[in-house]
Amino acid sequence: GAGVSQTPSNKVTEKGKYVELRCDPISGHTALYWYRQSLGQGPEFLIYFQGTGAADDSGLPNDRFFAVRPEGSVSTLKIQRTERGDSAVYLCASSLMGGNNSPLHFGNGTRLTVT
Amino acid sequence: GNSVTQMEGPVTLSEEAFLTINCTYTATGYPSLFWYVQYPGEGLQLLLKATKADDKGSNKGFEATYRKETTSFHLEKGSVQVSDSAVYFCALSEPGANNLFFGTGTRLTVIP
Repeated sequence: GAGVSQTPSNKVTEKGKYVELRCDPISGHTALYWYRQSLGQGPEFLIYFQGTGAADDSGLPNDRFFAVRPEGSVSTLKIQRTERGDSAVYLCASSLMGGNNSPLHFGNGTRLTVT
Repeated sequence: GNSVTQMEGPVTLSEEAFLTINCTYTATGYPSLFWYVQYPGEGLQLLLKATKADDKGSNKGFEATYRKETTSFHLEKGSVQVSDSAVYFCALSEPGANNLFFGTGTRLTVIP
């Protein structure tokens, strides 16, 4: 079946611009996560949705970052006034229920480059 | 706080060699421990997990044992194959938490 789909796969933008990154989770998965992976590092948690609500946004680095999941399926990560330090691979994952017993299924990521 | 330290790569092995990738962790509670794998061109996927001390996770010939006394979760495989070439990430999650803490990843290349 279809896995987690992220679009675009690559995004190049200029410093100061606004970007949106999209995630289509596996159908029926209620939990959705965003992670950010910088070069040479492991993924770092950004935000977790259970259904439509952001249950935990403690990983968002600052108020330029925002994410939504209005219908409990597709999610969009929004970054305002992008900075060169935002360059990274942004990973989306979904799981059936959330929690440690429900394995995460990751997408291939969106590689964001801010010039 | 929580952190995961794993063996730096890259690791290059010949086919059928024995593999160990070390992973140690720091946690405030009693975490669940995971190994995730990323094959070329694919997303991260769960390889195995262990949820309490002395548990052994296993999958596809890989094993890792949750050692509370040494705060370790080393990944092992007795005989690697070329198809095992990938990046391996150790990770932990605290009970009731919503997120995983990942190590920096170890790239494994297996040559025929």
